[in-house]
Amino acid sequence: AQTVTQSQPEMSVQEAETVTLSCTYDTSESDYYLFWYKQPPSRQMILVIRQEAYKQQNATENRFSVNFQKAAKSFSLKISDSQLGDAAMYFCAYRSPGAGSYQLTFGKGTKLSVIP
Amino acid sequence: GAVVSQHPSRVICKSGTSVKIECRSLDFQATTMFWYRQFPKQSLMLMATSNEGSKATYEQGVEKDKFLINHASLTLSTLTVTSAHPEDSSFYICSARSREDSPLHFGNGTRLTVT
Repeated sequence: AQTVTQSQPEMSVQEAETVTLSCTYDTSESDYYLFWYKQPPSRQMILVIRQEAYKQQNATENRFSVNFQKAAKSFSLKISDSQLGDAAMYFCAYRSPGAGSYQLTFGKGTKLSVIP
Repeated sequence: GAVVSQHPSRVICKSGTSVKIECRSLDFQATTMFWYRQFPKQSLMLMATSNEGSKATYEQGVEKDKFLINHASLTLSTLTVTSAHPEDSSFYICSARSREDSPLHFGNGTRLTVT
């Protein structure tokens, strides 16, 4: 079974600075998908960024980028120019490939605080 | 973008009663919906996978007779917590996808409190 580990229960960053959230995972599969989700106080789960394992290029979405190290099974999220609205719980998630397999395995989350 | 609506957002019920939670895909047909449970300060745990027109698939340890799932149409899945007990108090979140390669869209969640 796949496992997702987020070793930082809480992180803080100064507004406008950069922060990196860590995520490692364990799998025996060679092809899979990785995601970062954001859960603000409203509890709505919001997809931040996704990465296909077969792609070597790191995914980027505006101020959000990932550092995907497949051999090390590491998938960190970098938030640049942090904003107050970035404060939330961030969950790293893994998904197996294949038809009918869309279950997400989540890490325990990292609570990010943004200091004004 | 795609929207998933979950209702109610909050519900308080007495121990022994049943509660129904609805999950609707508003602008797409959801062949598959997922129900998650989230305890305070913890991650989302998948409870079951709901497939339109067929029986739900439950994760290990989830009582299917207690958590009844019905996916009667391509836009609606319901989760009924039967004979609720205080330990069922939690945050329940649904998600849906329209195609196998499309991302998951999450509802806003339902906070259930059983007194």
